[in-house]
Amino acid sequence: SAVISQKPSRDICQRGTSLTIQCQVDSQVTMMFWYRQQPGQSLTLIATANQGSEATYESGFVIDKFPISRPNLTFSTLTVSNMSPEDSSIYLCSAGSGIEKLFFGSGTQLSVL
Amino acid sequence: DAKTTQPTSMDCAEGRAANLPCNHSTISGNEYVYWYRQIHSQGPQYIIHGLKNNETNEMASLIITEDRKSSTLILPHATLRDTAVYYCIVRGKNDYKLSFGAGTTVTVRA
Repeated sequence: SAVISQKPSRDICQRGTSLTIQCQVDSQVTMMFWYRQQPGQSLTLIATANQGSEATYESGFVIDKFPISRPNLTFSTLTVSNMSPEDSSIYLCSAGSGIEKLFFGSGTQLSVL
Repeated sequence: DAKTTQPTSMDCAEGRAANLPCNHSTISGNEYVYWYRQIHSQGPQYIIHGLKNNETNEMASLIITEDRKSSTLILPHATLRDTAVYYCIVRGKNDYKLSFGAGTTVTVRA
């Protein structure tokens, strides 16, 4: 199994600012993903964080708004840029090696005022 | 487009078996059925997965019908800590991504 730590666990931000969320895995993993969970909703995949190359974004998500880095096999960041109240959500990091199972962090609860 | 259909919610009695249904009538031959759950304020947790045979682990059992168009997750002895949203997900053999539907909100009552 993999243990995933996310920082910060929660934050309150002002409109127009940016927040970078960190995801640290306790072992090397092949795949890392970022999800968004809006209030009362299910999880929506934002992007696949690719090690050493640009992230692969899902429909409706763009790099300018959600830049992602993945410098190595255990770490990734997601930045929420130029935030608005509509960005208030829980952001979750997911990781795994192989097809069998993915592990999730506890999420970052973001509130934008 | 949703690949699975689950009831919105269900209640279970503590100590009894909880049977969670899932319909996946368009599943293809190389797609697996996965179950995850999300307890309040936590990230999703893997429970079990299967292709066509029934599977059992320390958490649950997965029963897949012979035609693979539906499945049932069984929690053998539900406890209050099993209260969560349960997601049934169809995932391709070479597809690392998970696509979450609305899930079933399961409430275990004392």
